[in-house]
Amino acid sequence: EVQLVESGGFLVQPGGSLRLSCAASGFTFSTYWMQWVRQTPGKGLVWVSHINSDGSSTRYADSVKGRFTISRDNAKNTLYLQMNSLRAEDTAVYYCTRAISDYWGQGTAVTVSA
Amino acid sequence: DIVMTQTPLSSPVTLGQPASISCRSSQGLLHSDGNTYLSWLLQRPGQPPRLLIYKISNRFSGVPDRFSGSGAGTDFTLEISRVEAEDVGVYYCMQATQFPWTFGQGTKVEIK
Repeated sequence: EVQLVESGGFLVQPGGSLRLSCAASGFTFSTYWMQWVRQTPGKGLVWVSHINSDGSSTRYADSVKGRFTISRDNAKNTLYLQMNSLRAEDTAVYYCTRAISDYWGQGTAVTVSA
Repeated sequence: DIVMTQTPLSSPVTLGQPASISCRSSQGLLHSDGNTYLSWLLQRPGQPPRLLIYKISNRFSGVPDRFSGSGAGTDFTLEISRVEAEDVGVYYCMQATQFPWTFGQGTKVEIK
């Protein structure tokens, strides 16, 4: 069974940093590209970042470029999102998704507030 | 960025009756590899989204055959042949043809 389990969401002050993790199981993690997608409370879905299967290629939404870094450890079957210089508008539930978003985790909540 | 526009934004439906949601993209979604990466997702209350349909018309594993997708170019449709209570939630179309991937605003389906 494919499982994606996010962790690392927390309450952080503006300007702070967080690292989100997504533990994958039930499939060969190293052969799939992965994404982070976020959802603001009561709002829709926004794609954040993408990484290819070996981690050599990454893409970012303009709103997070230069502040967020996506990475992966295929030996640990884990996807990461390093978030720096956090802003109030980064407050959201962050989901990791596989490939064309065929599987989603349960999400981890990030709140940026003083 | 490709803008995805869904209609309607709200759809009260009667159990057992059909429902239809449209999604229009601001640019064609045909990828250079010949595929059109248009998906439909359902988010039930309190749950993460789940994939229903991918590449316009392919039902994902475990998705009931009352769900069907169609379309081409910039116009796409999700149809539910007979709505059941478990179909309540917000439906999103999503394009993964071009970065940044983008989503429609969502269509809330509720029972009358």
